Amino acid sequence: AQSVTQLDSQVPVFEEAPVELRCNYSSSVSVYLFWYVQYPNQGLQLLLKYLSGSTLVKGINGFEAEFNKSQTSFHLRKPSVHISDTAEYFCAVRMTTDSWGKLQFGAGTQVVVTP
Amino acid sequence: DVKVTQSSRYLVKRTGEKVFLECVQDMDHENMFWYRQDPGLGLRLIYFSYDVKMKEKGDIPEGYSVSREKKERFSLILESASTNQTSMYLCASSRPVGSGANVLTFGAGSRLTVL
Repeated sequence: AQSVTQLDSQVPVFEEAPVELRCNYSSSVSVYLFWYVQYPNQGLQLLLKYLSGSTLVKGINGFEAEFNKSQTSFHLRKPSVHISDTAEYFCAVRMTTDSWGKLQFGAGTQVVVTP
Repeated sequence: DVKVTQSSRYLVKRTGEKVFLECVQDMDHENMFWYRQDPGLGLRLIYFSYDVKMKEKGDIPEGYSVSREKKERFSLILESASTNQTSMYLCASSRPVGSGANVLTFGAGSRLTVL
């Protein structure tokens, strides 16, 4: 079994400021890691994923995340946010042993960008 | 682009009604999923299917059933809707694990209100 904890339910940030969204997971087996974004009234869109290799992963829209195995974390960062980054962000994990590709999601972090 | 289409964006139903939520994908994906999204809880897996007529329970299957008669279509059924099933329902699809493209693609969601 695995679980995902997103440590902040809401993150207010000013435009052009940096933002970090925290994600920790627990799992008895190794995992793949994902960040999804949900803009208002839309479905989820993949931002980035970590499957293997370099622990620093770059995604769309200037986002990046770093996998830290010892701390079981996969924090998402953006150096300078725009108003259009206002959205809900979900961290998700999939066990490498899962045969079907099921994702376990965190509770989500609402990012509100203000001018 | 992969498209996952959920036919109803907003539904209002009465307690005890039978409800069908339809999802269609156009990229010949083998796997399809139904998630439920609630504030503070993130997304929770209800059911998934890895082939026509094949289905598996997710984490919260109680009160729901599914149907997959054709590869492109995956229906979620609420046999007798209850107020605690008021929620946002998200459908997703993906290729099989191991195909190198096992990333979930989501529909825009169906917001169900049960009165």
